[in-house]
Amino acid sequence: RKEVEQDPGPFNVPEGATVAFNCTYSNSASQSFFWYRQDCRKEPKLLMSVYSSGNEDGRFTAQLNRASQYISLLIRDSKLSDSATYLCVVNDRTTDSWGKFQFGAGTQVVVTP
Amino acid sequence: NAGVTQTPKFQVLKTGQSMTLQCAQDMNHNSMYWYRQDPGMGLRLIYYSASEGTTDKGEVPNGYNVSRLNKREFSLRLESAAPSQTSVYFCASSSKPRDSLYNEQFFGPGTRLTVL
Repeated sequence: RKEVEQDPGPFNVPEGATVAFNCTYSNSASQSFFWYRQDCRKEPKLLMSVYSSGNEDGRFTAQLNRASQYISLLIRDSKLSDSATYLCVVNDRTTDSWGKFQFGAGTQVVVTP
Repeated sequence: NAGVTQTPKFQVLKTGQSMTLQCAQDMNHNSMYWYRQDPGMGLRLIYYSASEGTTDKGEVPNGYNVSRLNKREFSLRLESAAPSQTSVYFCASSSKPRDSLYNEQFFGPGTRLTVL
């Protein structure tokens, strides 16, 4: 079983609509959580960190559910420029290898006019 | 600031050839990482360096070696390339390996490697 799992999609979303998707992680001791965005054939870039209480950045809202071991990302008022692959990233600080980040395979979002 | 730079951007090798992928960052980050990305697999950590002078194996280290040349540079070497090493390789760096839970990773543009 992969440590971080995501629905690969694609999620086809009309412009202006809302889309949400989840990511599950297997290590209950995981400490920090992130959403990265990756455009086709480009490097990943941090979209937002995910805090325990949930957090919002403009049209993007991230939630963490430790009991069920998942994080979610919601995009409101989708723009064409939101089309990308969204990577869920989990860091397990309790191991000796603090520097390791676990990446999900990504969820593809396609926003259509 | 250039951020994280990688060379080369593209490379084609024959099985058994060797090569070194170069990575440099100008953000004074302590930690640096090498990942590979294959379709449907997500990024997998090959090696990382928490600080200058240290390196550790990641999830998929076999067939690779690394050198943390100084704080800025972290190279990845393929001693005898195999077709299974065909992938996109990303280098990354981060600033706070131990002080903060939320240390952002910055990625280089990637190297697209094909091994025939």
